[in-house]
Amino acid sequence: RKEVEQDPGPFNVPEGATVAFNCTYSNSASQSFFWYRQDCRKEPKLLMSVYSSGNEDGRFTAQLNRASQYISLLIRDSKLSDSATYLCVVSNSGYALNFGKGTSLLVTP
Amino acid sequence: NAGVTQTPKFQVLKTGQSMTLQCAQDMNHEYMSWYRQDPGMGLRLIHYSVGAGITDQGEVPNGYNVSRSTTEDFPLRLLSAAPSQTSVYFCASSYSTGAHEQFFGPGTRLTVL
Repeated sequence: RKEVEQDPGPFNVPEGATVAFNCTYSNSASQSFFWYRQDCRKEPKLLMSVYSSGNEDGRFTAQLNRASQYISLLIRDSKLSDSATYLCVVSNSGYALNFGKGTSLLVTP
Repeated sequence: NAGVTQTPKFQVLKTGQSMTLQCAQDMNHEYMSWYRQDPGMGLRLIHYSVGAGITDQGEVPNGYNVSRSTTEDFPLRLLSAAPSQTSVYFCASSYSTGAHEQFFGPGTRLTVL
């Protein structure tokens, strides 16, 4: 079983919609959690870290549920420019990151 | 700052050939790592380094060597290329451990025939 599991999608949503992605992780000792964004044929870039209390950055909200070992990302008022693959990332030891396979989002006009 | 740079951007090799993928960063980051990304597999860690002179294996190290003689450079060597090594390779660096934001290079697309 892979350490980080994501629904690969694709998620096709219209502009202005709200969309949520979930991610589960298998190692209960995991310490750090992130969402990265990867555009087609580009490198991943950090979207946001995920904190236990939940955190928000503009239209993006990340939540962490340690008891259930899942992480979520909510995107409100979707823009065409949000079309990308969203990678759930978990760090266990601090020296290695475990990446999910990514969830593909396509926002349509 | 150029950030993380990788060369070459594209490379085609024949089975059995060797080559070195270059990675450099100008952010004075201690932590550097190499990942490969394959369709349907996500990013997998090949090797990483926590500082000059210190390297360790990741999830998929076989067939690859690394060294870290300076803080800035972290080359990845393919010893004898195999078709299974066809992939996109990303180098990344961060201020400290993997728990910090990783800055990725633009990637090298490698095809082994």
